[in-house]
Amino acid sequence: DAKTTQPNSMESNEEEPVHLPCNHSTISGTDYIHWYRQLPSQGPEYVIHGLTSNVNNRMASLAIAEDRKSSTLILHRATLRDAAVYYCILMEYGNKLVFGAGTILRVKS
Amino acid sequence: DAGITQSPRYKITETGRQVTLMCHQTWSHSYMFWYRQDLGHGLRLIYYSAAADITDKGEVPDGYVVSRSKTENFPLTLESATRSQTSVYFCASSERVGGTEAFFGQGTRLTVV
Repeated sequence: DAKTTQPNSMESNEEEPVHLPCNHSTISGTDYIHWYRQLPSQGPEYVIHGLTSNVNNRMASLAIAEDRKSSTLILHRATLRDAAVYYCILMEYGNKLVFGAGTILRVKS
Repeated sequence: DAGITQSPRYKITETGRQVTLMCHQTWSHSYMFWYRQDLGHGLRLIYYSAAADITDKGEVPDGYVVSRSKTENFPLTLESATRSQTSVYFCASSERVGGTEAFFGQGTRLTVV
């Protein structure tokens, strides 16, 4: 399974943008880049995913490097409710879904 | 209501007993997954299934058994529970892995005493 590397933790101020990085230097051409987050005492929830192009949805934006070896999840205005563990996952079409350690995001008011 | 449901939400069992955790999804998703999450750690894949009657091992399958006779159900059985299996268990489903999102249940907190 292709691996991802994320910082253990990050801190942000409320109402400011947050950029969560993810390195995946061994990514293959068929791997999708997925982001999930897990709020305290809850199951993981989907945030966003992409293959090659940058993606936007109501929750966040995903910026994918041209060589696809890294990506960045962008939360445009962090709120206290965004404090969670964020997981960057590579998912090969038809393959299993394996989580790494993730990044703990702390949001300060 | 559409969704993915785990039962029970909480379970206390004794060492050596068999216990089954249930997972039910209403979307007819092909893929289903079982994970365990220990305190302060990430999620580890136990078993997954690509379709009814097709299952495969994940990262930590020892001590667990799964079956999938119907698309919508994916029960996880601990044949002889041990204290090391005390954990929070999450079930997930996905229409296909890769281009679509996965949906997770709320979890089952299992304590083995």
